[in-house]
Amino acid sequence: SQQGEEDPQALSIQEGENATMNCSYKTSINNLQWYRQNSGRGLVHLILIRSNEREKHSGRLRVTLDTSKKSSSLLITASRAADTASYFCATVRHGSGNTGKLIFGQGTTLQVKP
Amino acid sequence: DAMVIQNPRYQVTQFGKPVTLSCSQTLNHNVMYWYQQKSSQAPKLLFHYYDKDFNNEADTPDNFQSRRPNTSFCFLDIRSPGLGDAAMYLCATSRDRVGNQPQHFGDGTRLSIL
Repeated sequence: SQQGEEDPQALSIQEGENATMNCSYKTSINNLQWYRQNSGRGLVHLILIRSNEREKHSGRLRVTLDTSKKSSSLLITASRAADTASYFCATVRHGSGNTGKLIFGQGTTLQVKP
Repeated sequence: DAMVIQNPRYQVTQFGKPVTLSCSQTLNHNVMYWYQQKSSQAPKLLFHYYDKDFNNEADTPDNFQSRRPNTSFCFLDIRSPGLGDAAMYLCATSRDRVGNQPQHFGDGTRLSIL
């Protein structure tokens, strides 16, 4: 079963605008990861944020993590048409032993219109 | 460039006819994963290898099997594909098995069942 819930399910914005996607999860985690998936392609890792971190940046991406609310957000600033993709959050559950199993959210489909 | 390569990108098989999907990696990662992803859904883990140690997910159908003859290659065998097995199959690798490192995905094989 999926642990993560993502919100919104779909998002459509104009190029240059910011896009914010939210992810909630249910159990304690070791870390939370964000992945991008272009249509018909594999997933590409974007950012990994550990449970003791609150914010991380990578280029135009900013990820926050609030473990008290069991939620994370991904902000893409100054979006481009090439950012059009599905975005998934995935958690590694605390105490998952030696599996490193990623539990994926349902994803947010982002469309950036030129 | 080091990468994860899946062949073929598209596979068509007949109902009940065995099919094998392949994955190779040049990253020299110990862990390899197989995921099933149906349309507009999150990837679902089928099984993973840590070196030659095979780990099956509890809800993976018996119809699905895997082989890892060496570090670089991993195969997904579907013994008697049903219509419900039509999906994208994604292979991924990771440096560690506890989930503290990102997973690297191939571009997937899209399987169609006639």
